Amino acid sequence: DQQVKQNSPSLSVQEGRISILNCDYTNSMFDYFLWYKKYPAEGPTFLISISSIKDKNEDGRFTVFLNKSAKHLSLHIVPSQPGDSAVYFCAASAIDNNDMRFGAGTRLTVKP
Amino acid sequence: EAGVVQSPRYKIIEKKQPVAFWCNPISGHNTLYWYRQNLGQGPELLIRYENEEAVDDSQLPKDRFSAERLKGVDSTLKIQPAELGDSAVYLCASSNTGYEQYFGPGTRLTVT
Repeated sequence: DQQVKQNSPSLSVQEGRISILNCDYTNSMFDYFLWYKKYPAEGPTFLISISSIKDKNEDGRFTVFLNKSAKHLSLHIVPSQPGDSAVYFCAASAIDNNDMRFGAGTRLTVKP
Repeated sequence: EAGVVQSPRYKIIEKKQPVAFWCNPISGHNTLYWYRQNLGQGPELLIRYENEEAVDDSQLPKDRFSAERLKGVDSTLKIQPAELGDSAVYLCASSNTGYEQYFGPGTRLTVT
C-alpha cells in the first residue's frame, strides 16, 4: 500500500521561477513530514521538514506547506536554480513509529 | 563530521551467489536503517536497529536476507542466495532523533 504519493514523476521550470512539488498521504497517523533531495549516484539528503502542529516551515528558498485536512503537502522553491535539479522525495512518519514512508519521487529540472 | 559510509558502491553478481553490504553510520547515531530502492521508486525500509537490537524487521525477506549490527555501530546486510529481483540500490541511513535520517551513497546491486 502506497501511503505517500507523489503523482508527478517530473517537473520542468525556468531558472528564477517558482518550483512547486506536491505530495499526498493517506495515513492520518503521520505527524512528521520531510523532503529529501537526491542527486544521481548519491543518497538522499535531508532538505526540510514540518511537524503536524504547523502548516508552514521556511528555510531560505525552500518552504514546505502542510494541509492536514487535505492530507497534502507541498514544497516551494523560489527562486529555482539549475543546481536544484534533482529528484525530490516526500517522506512521512508517525511519532510512535519510526517507520518512514517515502513517495516515488519527482524529478525536477531547472532550465537556465 | 563524516557522513554515513557504505561499501561497496557497486556490485555485480550472478544469481544464486551471496553478497554483503557494509554500513558505518554517523558517530553517535543510535538508530540505523537499511532501505532498498527500486528504479523509479522511493526507498523502502528493510530493517531498523536501535543500537544493536533489530526493532523492526517486518519487511526483511528473512528466507534470504540477514543483517547484523554488532556492538551497535556498523552493520552488515547479506543476501544469500541473490535473485534477479534483488537488483536495486541498497541504502543505509542513521539518525539520532528518530525523524531526520541521514543517508549513505548506497550500493547499487546488479544480479545477472
